[in-house]
Amino acid sequence: DTAVSQTPKYLVTQMGNDKSIKCEQNLGHDTMYWYKQDSKKFLKIMFSYNNKELIINETVPNRFSPKSPDKAHLNLHINSLELGDSAVYFCASSQVPGANEKLFFGSGTQLSVL
Amino acid sequence: QKEVEQNSGPLSVPEGAIASLNCTYSDRGSQSFFWYRQYSGKSPELIMFIYSNGDKEDGRFTAQLNKASQYVSLLIRDSQPSDSATYLCAVKRAGNTPLVFGKGTRLSVIA
Repeated sequence: DTAVSQTPKYLVTQMGNDKSIKCEQNLGHDTMYWYKQDSKKFLKIMFSYNNKELIINETVPNRFSPKSPDKAHLNLHINSLELGDSAVYFCASSQVPGANEKLFFGSGTQLSVL
Repeated sequence: QKEVEQNSGPLSVPEGAIASLNCTYSDRGSQSFFWYRQYSGKSPELIMFIYSNGDKEDGRFTAQLNKASQYVSLLIRDSQPSDSATYLCAVKRAGNTPLVFGKGTRLSVIA
């Protein structure tokens, strides 16, 4: 069983569309994250949820809206997609937030906005 | 802006040599330090973490931390072609703060 799974793996869409990416973890972790990796491979935190509560929101445009129905799921909805949103989006989870947390990443969703 | 700096590389080493990957960070409040490996087209995977000054060894990997110099490194002994990947340094404060990644160093081990 995949520990952190996200779908879809690839997403190609037109500017202005709305799309969603889903993430599920079966590790029993309390904390989940969305990271964005740009074309230069820079990996940057977007959001973090602990047991369904938002704990980190890193100056992401409000076109991006995360939703956590339960602690095993964290979805990302993006409205009015722009060219600059093209990137690989990684979901991740960890046992607890704090200095000792180790992240487990999903396989990534490559988003291409045309 | 709290930053993590890495040389982007590529760092090329011959098979069997020691690869040395370096990272500096600006936030003196950082408490935990991680090295992730990312193969092309794949997700990052944790290979080492270190919290205290000094060296920490795990198999062919050694992480070194010097908080006074705000410097963390990763040594890979007996480098293999399968070690060719991008290595991401990441640092973290305590509490609900994000893990901050460097831009990664691309390592190429030549057979």
